[in-house]
Amino acid sequence: DTEVTQTPKHLVMGMTNKKSLKCEQHMGHRAMYWYKQKAKKPPELMFVYSYEKLSINESVPSRFSPECPNSSLLNLHLHALQPEDSALYLCASSRRQKGLAGGTDTQYFGPGTRLTVL
Amino acid sequence: AQKITQTQPGMFVQEKEAVTLDCTYDTSDPSYGLFWYKQPSSGEMIFLIYQGSYDQQNATEGRYSLNFQKARKSANLVISASQLGDSAMYFCAMRGSSGGSNYKLTFGKGTLLTVNP
Repeated sequence: DTEVTQTPKHLVMGMTNKKSLKCEQHMGHRAMYWYKQKAKKPPELMFVYSYEKLSINESVPSRFSPECPNSSLLNLHLHALQPEDSALYLCASSRRQKGLAGGTDTQYFGPGTRLTVL
Repeated sequence: AQKITQTQPGMFVQEKEAVTLDCTYDTSDPSYGLFWYKQPSSGEMIFLIYQGSYDQQNATEGRYSLNFQKARKSANLVISASQLGDSAMYFCAMRGSSGGSNYKLTFGKGTLLTVNP
């Protein structure tokens, strides 16, 4: 089973709202990722968690705040977003076992959350 | 730095015919992985196939095969017997094995495939 779930599927929020995106996987994967994807563009990496620790932050604005409460869950907390933050937000996970060569570590994606900021 | 180039913004194919989607790459990593993903209009990125840089044989997964030519730095996706459900955006991606490239997938710009009945 290579399922990654994301909730909600769609989210509309105002610029003063606080909301959260949730991602869950039960494949025993130890790396989890957040991507942002604008229409007709490839996904852009935002954050990487490896063994529940933040490993990569791709200079993402602080209005996006990731959280990894345990090895199965990944949240993205949103606050004071701008209309240009409207996009598809994709979560992914990979095995990331210690010693596994990075090149073979396949990322499996969830269905995404379509975010609209008004 | 790693780079993926997909030169075909759009491709059309008749149902039941085969189609090749082009992908070239550039990297200085000694080992790396190449991936193809399918993204239907619904948005989900679906993993299709993987090729390791040291794999001797081309990868195959059902109707998908990867034509890997290491010397030419190309990793083309071949879809045999196209189906209407194959209509989607297809992304070629690469992951390195050293430093920061160990975690990151570098994506190409994608090819939009349309299968005609």
